[in-house]
Amino acid sequence: GNSVTQMEGPVTLSEEAFLTINCTYTATGYPSLFWYVQYPGEGLQLLLKATKADDKGSNKGFEATYRKETTSFHLEKGSVQVSDSAVYFCALSDLRSGNTGKLIFGQGTTLQVKP
Amino acid sequence: GAVVSQHPSRVICKSGTSVKIECRSLDFQATTMFWYRQFPKQSLMLMATSNEGSKATYEQGVEKDKFLINHASLTLSTLTVTSAHPEDSSFYICSATSGAADTQYFGPGTRLTVL
Repeated sequence: GNSVTQMEGPVTLSEEAFLTINCTYTATGYPSLFWYVQYPGEGLQLLLKATKADDKGSNKGFEATYRKETTSFHLEKGSVQVSDSAVYFCALSDLRSGNTGKLIFGQGTTLQVKP
Repeated sequence: GAVVSQHPSRVICKSGTSVKIECRSLDFQATTMFWYRQFPKQSLMLMATSNEGSKATYEQGVEKDKFLINHASLTLSTLTVTSAHPEDSSFYICSATSGAADTQYFGPGTRLTVL
């Protein structure tokens, strides 16, 4: 079945440091891949997405490239800010295999950025 | 665009009572809505998928008689927790998607506390 695995957190960085949060997946079809961010006490916000191999999703300085050969979708940001402190979820959705479009989430990675 | 609201944001109720949570898509027609439950410091657990005008599809282990889902219109889905007990206390999040789109847009969540 489909699954998503994220690196365990928490990840603690100083402001302006480089961020990488690893995400790998297993899927039987051709999934779309997503990164969602959750700030304390709130719901999830879509951060970026990629729908096919070699696509790069980007938003607010964050990037992730859909790597089919390594089944990965690592999240990166060149210079983090304190306001980036949140929980980040990697997820996949596979409509084309006849699923309902439900998301399969990774376990989430907490990022804490210190000034 | 793609805004999803939830109401209420927080609710406290006594054990044995029922609680209704509303999920609305404000600027698009949501053909499919999803209900998730999130425990502290954990990932989201999909409870059920609902399509407008039809019965919800519940995930394995979710009691459909306890968690009643109604998706009567293209902009509104409701989750009713019947005869709530303290173990039902959790953060409930809905999401919505439109047509064949694979991107889900999430509501801000509802914090339920059962005393």
